[in-house]
Amino acid sequence: NAGVTQTPKFQVLKTGQSMTLQCAQDMNHNSMYWYRQDPGMGLRLIYYSASEGTTDKGEVPNGYNVSRLNKREFSLRLESAAPSQTSVYFCASSEDRRQPQHFGDGTRLSIL
Amino acid sequence: SQQGEEDPQALSIQEGENATMNCSYKTSINNLQWYRQNSGRGLVHLILIRSNEREKHSGRLRVTLDTSKKSSSLLITASRAADTASYFCATEGGRHTGANSKLTFGKGITLSVRP
Repeated sequence: NAGVTQTPKFQVLKTGQSMTLQCAQDMNHNSMYWYRQDPGMGLRLIYYSASEGTTDKGEVPNGYNVSRLNKREFSLRLESAAPSQTSVYFCASSEDRRQPQHFGDGTRLSIL
Repeated sequence: SQQGEEDPQALSIQEGENATMNCSYKTSINNLQWYRQNSGRGLVHLILIRSNEREKHSGRLRVTLDTSKKSSSLLITASRAADTASYFCATEGGRHTGANSKLTFGKGITLSVRP
């Protein structure tokens, strides 16, 4: 089983560029999440989707948008990248909000 | 905002020893979960303990929960070099957070197990 697949694994952007991080899960999970992980900060929730067709802001949503394309896919978009968005981004999914989350291996994003 | 805070921040032990990691939190919870993260990889769920449970075991892992002290501990017995990783506690909100309750992660503990 692939579980949660994130693409790309690495990306370097220039300030002001845009890009979309892709995430897909094959476990038929209802809920999906986007986190960022920075040194000394742990994981912080950017956006989540409790179920297909819904999205909600997390702790640090500014500068990001998301799309729950279907039950499998949840994308994260940076419209105008800033150096402060340099981070490792993780996508996760779970059966519902109270169940354990399954994580992808992350996208390492550097913005120059 | 971080709910769980792990202690210590870093732990170094010899293979075969036990490792104890602690997590404290501030508000009521439905459940508390522990995750492991190997270098360069995503988090992997280890164990979930519900607010009405006091202790749970899974293989070499033992988790306790004390809701009166708002704290949990993760014990790894007979540690191995392969247990070297970062460990995170995460809390899922209690009765006051309603339908929007989410999992909130601590900053993690770095465990090094020396061969």
